[in-house]
Amino acid sequence: AQSVTQLDSQVPVFEEAPVELRCNYSSSVSVYLFWYVQYPNQGLQLLLKYLSGSTLVKGINGFEAEFNKSQTSFHLRKPSVHISDTAEYFCAVSENNQGGKLIFGQGTELSVKP
Amino acid sequence: DAGVIQSPRHEVTEMGQEVTLRCKPISGHNSLFWYRQTMMRGLELLIYFNNNVPIDDSGMPEDRFSAKMPNASFSTLKIQPSEPRDSAVYFCASTRSGSYNEQFFGPGTRLTVL
Repeated sequence: AQSVTQLDSQVPVFEEAPVELRCNYSSSVSVYLFWYVQYPNQGLQLLLKYLSGSTLVKGINGFEAEFNKSQTSFHLRKPSVHISDTAEYFCAVSENNQGGKLIFGQGTELSVKP
Repeated sequence: DAGVIQSPRHEVTEMGQEVTLRCKPISGHNSLFWYRQTMMRGLELLIYFNNNVPIDDSGMPEDRFSAKMPNASFSTLKIQPSEPRDSAVYFCASTRSGSYNEQFFGPGTRLTVL
């Protein structure tokens, strides 16, 4: 069965520092991978997605993620964070025969401090 | 495009009352998902529909919860009777076949059961 593990529940970081949010998944078939962001009191918005091709995926707001098939990981990175990046980040996986169903990780709360 | 529309945005009710949450998916999307988000359990998939047909309702917590999708542009999630432990934010999301399972989320309904 599919599962997603976000290894850190909370990540505090100072403004302009780099950040990496870790995500590992388990699946026996090809998958699609997603990162969503949830700002306070809002719904989830798509940051980026990996479908196929290049393993380095660039998203909105300067975020990028790298798909590593051998390590079954899809870590999210940003070289320099802003206060406005403070939010909860969710990693999700979908098998391409699941009719649109996503399996979400538990979320990582990114807190950017001045 | 208006995005996924949910109503009401906030609902406060008393234990034992019936609660109905509403969702209008993005036009042209044929899959619809209901999620519940709490601090304790994170983001949980309750049920999803494909072409108005319920596909997987294994996440519905108990018989007090029911969901319908009478047509492609409307879905409801009903809780009867409601209990304080049902207090959460309920999200609706939709996607379109062939869109590689990217889901678009509504703003959520914050339910408080007193």
